[in-house]
Amino acid sequence: GQSLEQPSEVTAVEGAIVQINCTYQTSGFYGLSWYQQHDGGAPTFLSYNALDGLEETGRFSSFLSRSDSYGYLLLQELQMKDSASYFCAVKGNNRLAFGKGNQVVVIP
Amino acid sequence: EPEVTQTPSHQVTQMGQEVILRCVPISNHLYFYWYRQILGQKVEFLVSFYNNEISEKSEIFDDQFSVERPDGSNFTLKIRSTKLEDSAMYFCASSPGTGGSFFGQGTRLTVV
Repeated sequence: GQSLEQPSEVTAVEGAIVQINCTYQTSGFYGLSWYQQHDGGAPTFLSYNALDGLEETGRFSSFLSRSDSYGYLLLQELQMKDSASYFCAVKGNNRLAFGKGNQVVVIP
Repeated sequence: EPEVTQTPSHQVTQMGQEVILRCVPISNHLYFYWYRQILGQKVEFLVSFYNNEISEKSEIFDDQFSVERPDGSNFTLKIRSTKLEDSAMYFCASSPGTGGSFFGQGTRLTVV
């Protein structure tokens, strides 16, 4: 089976850096994905790590350690539009298993 | 930019009625999925579909649910006899196989 743990809420000021952690337990693992979801909107794909290490995509970076069953998403130079929920999702053979998400609130 | 499209955006139905939710995945993607999200909760996997058949389904996807790819572009989720607890946002997603999945804007289903 799969289970994912994410802390629940973070508040940060514009321009700050936020790190969102994710630990997982799964019987089948192909990679760890990150998704952003604004209230009432669809999950939007941010990044995917299949191998250990850091992936950088603009202001967002994602890290994976397969041996520790752990990953994180780093949001840099926070902007107001980054206020959203962020989900990690384990990619298994045929499905994504989502964590409960982390609400990020960006304040001026 | 290619996107997954879903119709309708909202659907209100009476308990016991059948509903069909429709999706047009991204055209060159091979894997198709349905997820649902009950208000305030996490996204839950329902079913995945590849090569014209179900590749995996969750415990939520019971006999009341079915999926179909009736032609080369559409991907549908049917709920045969809706229950109050089926009220949720239903998301269709598609994937090329590796990397991320791309989600549609969802259908908000309300069962009354």
